[in-house]
Amino acid sequence: QQQVKQSPQSLIVQKGGISIINCAYENTAFDYFPWYQQFPGKGPALLIAIRPDVSEKKEGRFTISFNKSAKQFSLHIMDSQPGDSATYFCAASSRSSGSARQLTFGSGTQLTVLP
Amino acid sequence: DVKVTQSSRYLVKRTGEKVFLECVQDMDHENMFWYRQDPGLGLRLIYFSYDVKMKEKGDIPEGYSVSREKKERFSLILESASTNQTSMYLCASSGGQGHEQYFGPGTRLTVT
Repeated sequence: QQQVKQSPQSLIVQKGGISIINCAYENTAFDYFPWYQQFPGKGPALLIAIRPDVSEKKEGRFTISFNKSAKQFSLHIMDSQPGDSATYFCAASSRSSGSARQLTFGSGTQLTVLP
Repeated sequence: DVKVTQSSRYLVKRTGEKVFLECVQDMDHENMFWYRQDPGLGLRLIYFSYDVKMKEKGDIPEGYSVSREKKERFSLILESASTNQTSMYLCASSGGQGHEQYFGPGTRLTVT
């Protein structure tokens, strides 16, 4: 059972265009929603994150939009660049044992930005 | 800079072999995690540890075990490797109440 559903699986965008990746969740225990970026041969790295009491967060060309009532959130990449070509994972975080927080990941979106 | 290192980038093992994957972090983080990454399935949590000698099952623990004898080191063990354990294995760590997990580069394991 996939608790975080991510779409699309792959996305091709022209340089300068807008890339949009969508995620949806069910578990209301999730209280933090990060996006991770992964380049080939590397581990994922945190890109941007949002708490559910905020509807939007922007960092440079990257924006997360969050709709708590719909349990949906999305990543928008403005002015997409070839260097943004990577796999993007949405995730949802919940408290776990000790100080650990458990991440549940979406299935990933492979973004290709054409020059 | 947080550094998470994994002992091997590529590993080929035979069915039935015992396999050890090692992970070391240098930031004195309390929490360490093992995931497997498969196309179309994202990252799935196998086990995590929130303190030395403490461990908890993740979403897919079957066929795996873990060991954490020192704070900086977290090992994933495949007691008897099977072909369906062919995958990319990622280790991560996080500190205190920190939300961010820092990932290693991954070990691509092939079981033949």
